[in-house]
Amino acid sequence: AQSVTQLDSHVSVSEGTPVLLRCNYSSSYSPSLFWYVQHPNKGLQLLLKYTSAATLVKGINGFEAEFKKSETSFHLTKPSAHMSDAAEYFCVVTAAGSGTYKYIFGTGTRLKVLA
Amino acid sequence: DGGITQSPKYLFRKEGQNVTLSCEQNLNHDAMYWYRQDPGQGLRLIYYSQIVNDFQKGDIAEGYSVSREKKESFPLTVTSAQKNPTAFYLCASSRGSQETQYFGPGTRLLVL
Repeated sequence: AQSVTQLDSHVSVSEGTPVLLRCNYSSSYSPSLFWYVQHPNKGLQLLLKYTSAATLVKGINGFEAEFKKSETSFHLTKPSAHMSDAAEYFCVVTAAGSGTYKYIFGTGTRLKVLA
Repeated sequence: DGGITQSPKYLFRKEGQNVTLSCEQNLNHDAMYWYRQDPGQGLRLIYYSQIVNDFQKGDIAEGYSVSREKKESFPLTVTSAQKNPTAFYLCASSRGSQETQYFGPGTRLLVL
């Protein structure tokens, strides 16, 4: 079975400082992993995805994530936060080859950026 | 512009009433999905469709119904059997069932 845990429900950072949003996953198969961002009352926008190629994945808006199999983690980082990064972020795991292909969502991390 | 549209943005339901949420995509995607989002929770899958004229129940299908008569359209009906319909509903689509999903802007359903 697959599952995903976002370790922080809320994260606050100052503008210009690094961002770290943590995600751990569990999967019986080779996982695909995604980060999506959601601004208030909007749909989800894909930030980046890992699908068994390079373990360091670069996404849009300066975000990147590193797949660490030994730690079953897929943390999202950004070197310098911008006010426009304030939003909710969802980590998603899925698994191809298990007979189904289903998105399993984490419960989200709300990022607050302080001026 | 290619994308996914959902309408209306806000929808009000009276008790005992069925309401239908629209989802249209012009991405030529085969697969489409409906999710429900509640505060503090991740998205939960209601229904999905991998091809036209075929759809499957997700994790929380009770009180909902769908149809997939056209490739570009996947409407969701919230029936009177759904006793707690207040939520944000998101539609998504993907090129195939094992491809990345792309989301629409959502519909917020409120009960009068």
